[in-house]
Amino acid sequence: DGGITQSPKYLFRKEGQNVTLSCEQNLNHDAMYWYRQDPGQGLRLIYYSQIVNDFQKGDIAEGYSVSREKKESFPLTVTSAQKNPTAFYLCASSMRIHPYGYTFGSGTRLTVV
Amino acid sequence: AQTVTQSQPEMSVQEAETVTLSCTYDTSENNYYLFWYKQPPSRQMILVIRQEAYKQQNATENRFSVNFQKAAKSFSLKISDSQLGDTAMYFCAFTQGGSEKLVFGKGTKLTVNP
Repeated sequence: DGGITQSPKYLFRKEGQNVTLSCEQNLNHDAMYWYRQDPGQGLRLIYYSQIVNDFQKGDIAEGYSVSREKKESFPLTVTSAQKNPTAFYLCASSMRIHPYGYTFGSGTRLTVV
Repeated sequence: AQTVTQSQPEMSVQEAETVTLSCTYDTSENNYYLFWYKQPPSRQMILVIRQEAYKQQNATENRFSVNFQKAAKSFSLKISDSQLGDTAMYFCAFTQGGSEKLVFGKGTKLTVNP
């Protein structure tokens, strides 16, 4: 079945360490996205990519980095520069022009201690 | 910049009753799309319903329907015959035609009581 896989489901890291969240899709979607979800804040866009080897900053890109070397994969790195990294992270994908909305992964809960 | 506002942080409803969740948005564009997503306790985001702005007819999906008022920039979700499984966060979202980015509201937490 086609879908988006995020791994791991839970991730714990020590403060000051970089950590990479995985996102893989087999839907043949061109566009992929990373959102951060905090209580009472809704979903905020971190980065998005419309095609391979290209990506754009979203509203809260500081302290994060991404790559898009393959159409199927869009990993997110949370760097030590991100001041408050503990959050729930959601990856999504869509067709290039998407009146049908996103397909979401099941999310990764990152806790930095 | 487009914004989406959900004015009800929390709502509750009795099983089998009807509830309406509010959403307003701000845009100067004519070509756009609106969505309602459901996020149950599992945290998996599920598309509930979508509406194209150029369509005057309100979208309906089984027990879920919308009241789309384009002039008022309002897009409310009505859930009929509420079920316990409808307990979830509900997010309203907007995208401009030709854009890939969805803008989300802050969500409404709906609890269906037995």
